[in-house]
Amino acid sequence: GQQVMQIPQYQHVQEGEDFTTYCNSSTTLSNIQWYKQRPGGHPVFLIQLVKSGEVKKQKRLTFQFGEAKKNSSLHITATQTTDVGTYFCAGQEAAGNKLTFGGGTRVLVKP
Amino acid sequence: NAGVTQTPKFQVLKTGQSMTLQCAQDMNHEYMSWYRQDPGMGLRLIHYSVGAGITDQGEVPNGYNVSRSTTEDFPLRLLSAAPSQTSVYFCASSYSSMSTQYFGPGTRLTVL
Repeated sequence: GQQVMQIPQYQHVQEGEDFTTYCNSSTTLSNIQWYKQRPGGHPVFLIQLVKSGEVKKQKRLTFQFGEAKKNSSLHITATQTTDVGTYFCAGQEAAGNKLTFGGGTRVLVKP
Repeated sequence: NAGVTQTPKFQVLKTGQSMTLQCAQDMNHEYMSWYRQDPGMGLRLIHYSVGAGITDQGEVPNGYNVSRSTTEDFPLRLLSAAPSQTSVYFCASSYSSMSTQYFGPGTRLTVL
């Protein structure tokens, strides 16, 4: 079945630095979604990408969907302590109703 | 709007006991799903429903049953709890399988 993998699993970032987390699917996706989960909380939707090569920005967050629609990335600039949490990507295959989540990237910020 | 609600928030069971985790949404969403979250494993889909009366299996359905008699409710039943089912369970709903998923606050289940 479909597999979605995220790297790295953990990311320790110095406050003010940039970092990127990557998401790779074993199959071509119709769309990909990104969620953020704060410690002790539930996943909260961030963004959805649908088009090949699509790039979307939310303040300091930049999301990209690969040309082949099999991978995606999240880049955060000037990391802040409010960025702490686990970031999940979730991909949906072209033919299907299931959303498959990656294992997440847990982000820890050093002040 | 209450959004997605889940009860209970915490539950401790003994091996072999059965119970139902409740999930309700007031957004008139057709699509609802159950996930379990284990440390380092992300979110794994247990069962999902595309509308009242329609359910299907996800990635890890064994040991769980669901039903969808109304649009609002999507309960998850553990038939005979096992320690391997110790996890945090999240219910989610959305307009469709392709749209934003709204998650409930979760149920933390421990099976002894």
